[in-house]
Amino acid sequence: KAGVTQTPRYLIKTRGQQVTLSCSPISGHRSVSWYQQTPGQGLQFLFEYFSETQRNKGNFPGRFSGRQFSNSRSEMNVSTLELGDSALYLCASSTGEGAAGELFFGEGSRLTVL
Amino acid sequence: AQSVTQLDSQVPVFEEAPVELRCNYSSSVSVYLFWYVQYPNQGLQLLLKYLSGSTLVKGINGFEAEFNKSQTSFHLRKPSVHISDTAEYFCAVGFTGGGNKLTFGTGTQLKVEL
Repeated sequence: KAGVTQTPRYLIKTRGQQVTLSCSPISGHRSVSWYQQTPGQGLQFLFEYFSETQRNKGNFPGRFSGRQFSNSRSEMNVSTLELGDSALYLCASSTGEGAAGELFFGEGSRLTVL
Repeated sequence: AQSVTQLDSQVPVFEEAPVELRCNYSSSVSVYLFWYVQYPNQGLQLLLKYLSGSTLVKGINGFEAEFNKSQTSFHLRKPSVHISDTAEYFCAVGFTGGGNKLTFGTGTQLKVEL
């Protein structure tokens, strides 16, 4: 069974630009969650999508947005990039059913903002 | 709101020695508890989880954790560590109705030495 796939793995942007990150979950998983990992703030929850609907949202500004497609693939977008957006963005998938389940993480997309 | 405190940022230990990584949480509602491990340049992998029932939870790679409600703790233990256990370990908490919105601790770097 293929794992969670995130693309691109590495990218460099400049302040003010926007970026789109992609996540393909494990086959059959309907929930996709996004987390930001930085040395200073650690792992912080961005949002979760389940069956194309945003189910939970973290405390990030509106510049951070996401969506989920009918095949459960998800994208997140960050507009008007700031230096502080440099981070490892992790996507995690799960069945999304019942209680908080086991999250399967991808290897992440490392974003550097110059 | 939930919060997680990992008291030790780094734990050095010799190979074959026992180890305990500490985790305390704070929450006004019932929680689910998790330990994840992150190897260099990889995503996170679930070690074990506590949802309900027995307070002693066994996970992969010989790890176990004990849920202590009165002390609001969920410490991770392994009786004999191996070099390959060198990694960063994260404690996380979720809650009923929160879906896959997890609050993570800041992580503990376990360094196993010969």
